[in-house]
Amino acid sequence: AQSVAQPEDQVNVAEGNPLTVKCTYSVSGNPYLFWYVQYPNRGLQFLLKYITGDNLVKGSYGFEAEFNKSQTSFHLKKPSALVSDSALYFCAVRGDNDMRFGAGTRLTVKP
Amino acid sequence: NAGVTQTPKFRVLKTGQSMTLLCAQDMNHEYMYWYRQDPGMGLRLIHYSVGEGTTAKGEVPDGYNVSRLKKQNFLLGLESAAPSQTSVYFCASSQRQDTQYFGPGTRLTVL
Repeated sequence: AQSVAQPEDQVNVAEGNPLTVKCTYSVSGNPYLFWYVQYPNRGLQFLLKYITGDNLVKGSYGFEAEFNKSQTSFHLKKPSALVSDSALYFCAVRGDNDMRFGAGTRLTVKP
Repeated sequence: NAGVTQTPKFRVLKTGQSMTLLCAQDMNHEYMYWYRQDPGMGLRLIHYSVGEGTTAKGEVPDGYNVSRLKKQNFLLGLESAAPSQTSVYFCASSQRQDTQYFGPGTRLTVL
């Protein structure tokens, strides 16, 4: 079965520093991977996805993610963090008819 | 274009009461989903639908029923609410198995 894991419950970074939120996956076949963000008291918002092609995927709000097949990882990155990036981030993998989500990583960006 | 809407936004029930959550989407999506979100557990799929008149069980279907009588609506029912069903419920829709778009959520408390 398809699954993803987010090994960090919490990530703290200073504003202006680069950030990374980690995700590893386990799939049979080709992985279709997604990142979503959730702000307080809101639904999830789509950030980016990897289907095929370039291993570096660019998404909304300056975020990007790097697909690494040998390490079965799909880490979310941003070169310079903003305080407004503070939120809950979810990695997800497409299943047969559904989407499997990780447990989420809370990102806190401090001024 | 409202996207995905959910009603109600908040609800408090007593154990044993019933209720229905309504999800509506105006994007003409085939697939619709109901998730629950609990702290530290990410999103778990309750039921989903791949088209009007069809429904299927997800990861945690017990205690819930669903109906998809119209393409744009997906109803989630609790016949006899239990405290373990206290959660935040999210509806989502997608065109086939592509990016899912989420509603704002319903916060349900069962006393």
